[in-house]
Amino acid sequence: SQQGEEDPQALSIQEGENATMNCSYKTSINNLQWYRQNSGRGLVHLILIRSNEREKHSGRLRVTLDTSKKSSSLLITASRAADTASYFCATGTGANSKLTFGKGITLSVRP
Amino acid sequence: GAVVSQHPSRVICKSGTSVKIECRSLDFQATTMFWYRQFPKQSLMLMATSNEGSKATYEQGVEKDKFLINHASLTLSTLTVTSAHPEDSSFYICSARDIAGNYGYTFGSGTRLTVV
Repeated sequence: SQQGEEDPQALSIQEGENATMNCSYKTSINNLQWYRQNSGRGLVHLILIRSNEREKHSGRLRVTLDTSKKSSSLLITASRAADTASYFCATGTGANSKLTFGKGITLSVRP
Repeated sequence: GAVVSQHPSRVICKSGTSVKIECRSLDFQATTMFWYRQFPKQSLMLMATSNEGSKATYEQGVEKDKFLINHASLTLSTLTVTSAHPEDSSFYICSARDIAGNYGYTFGSGTRLTVV
């Protein structure tokens, strides 16, 4: 069953704007990860945040985690057309556990 | 960085035949690899967890006799779709995690299987 639920399911923004994507989950987790997938390709790991962390940064990416609300957000600042892709959150219950993916968000960045 | 190589990237086969997909960790060792299936515009559904030197753990509803998984070494797992049917057509993706790592999983580039 799907653990993560992202919203919105589709997001279209202008280049230069910020994109915020949210993910909610249902059960206790050890970590939450965000991935990116270009059409017809594999997934690229973006960032991992552990359950005892609240915020993490990586370049133009900022991820927050609120375990009390069982939710996470991914912020992409100063978006570029090349950021156009599908973004998935995935939760893990242990350091080497299987991942459960959300349904994904399709981000379109207009040049 | 960690790289997972998945082959083939695309394959077309006839109904009733078998297809083998390989997943290799190129620069790290992985005791565990994962196989996912993805339908168009949908999320990844975990099919099975491949364990080096032991039997794979299949998710509920996945036929283990149809989707044969072998993880014979710390760098290679294979998924064989046996007696393929058109409804097996899908995008299959593997992933692996460095046994010594503390970061996210590395995914292969996926295999587009079309059964005609």
